Amino acid sequence: DQQVKQNSPSLSVQEGRISILNCDYTNSMFDYFLWYKKYPAEGPTFLISISSIKDKNEDGRFTVFLNKSAKHLSLHIVPSQPGDSAVYFCAASASSGGSNYKLTFGKGTLLTVNP
Amino acid sequence: DADVTQTPRNRITKTGKRIMLECSQTKGHDRMYWYRQDPGLGLRLIYYSFDVKDINKGEISDGYSVSRQAQAKFSLSLESAIPNQTALYFCATSDLGLAGVEQFFGPGTRLTVL
Repeated sequence: DQQVKQNSPSLSVQEGRISILNCDYTNSMFDYFLWYKKYPAEGPTFLISISSIKDKNEDGRFTVFLNKSAKHLSLHIVPSQPGDSAVYFCAASASSGGSNYKLTFGKGTLLTVNP
Repeated sequence: DADVTQTPRNRITKTGKRIMLECSQTKGHDRMYWYRQDPGLGLRLIYYSFDVKDINKGEISDGYSVSRQAQAKFSLSLESAIPNQTALYFCATSDLGLAGVEQFFGPGTRLTVL
């Protein structure tokens, strides 16, 4: 049973345009969400996160939106740059009750930004 | 210098061989994790450790064992490697408390079992 779903295996956008990566979850206990970015031959690196008490978190070109009623979050990258080309993983945690150690990952979306 | 290091970075081995993957960290974190990544399957948790005396199974621990030799070192062993253990393996660390949600990953080990 996949609790975190990234239904788009890949996404291609033009440089300068917006990239929107989507993630859905099924576990209502999840209350903290993270996005990781992964380049080939490197480990995933933390990009941005959001707590369930918020509906938006912004960090430079990256914004994460959370819609709790729909159990949906999205990562917006504006403007997209060729260096953003990577695999993006959505992850979720049920941070209360002492279980904040456990991250459940989606399968990832390969973003390609074309010059 | 990298905060989380993994050795080896690449390894090719044969079915039935014992192999150990090592992870070291300089972040001072108590929590350490081992994941594997397969194409199209994301990252799946193999084992995790909250301190030197605490070892826990993750969702796919069969065929693997771990050793937490010190706060900074966490090793993953395949006692008798099989081809379906061919994958990318990542070590990760995290802090305690609310800060512990964010995990920091090593560069990975690409393991091929022939």
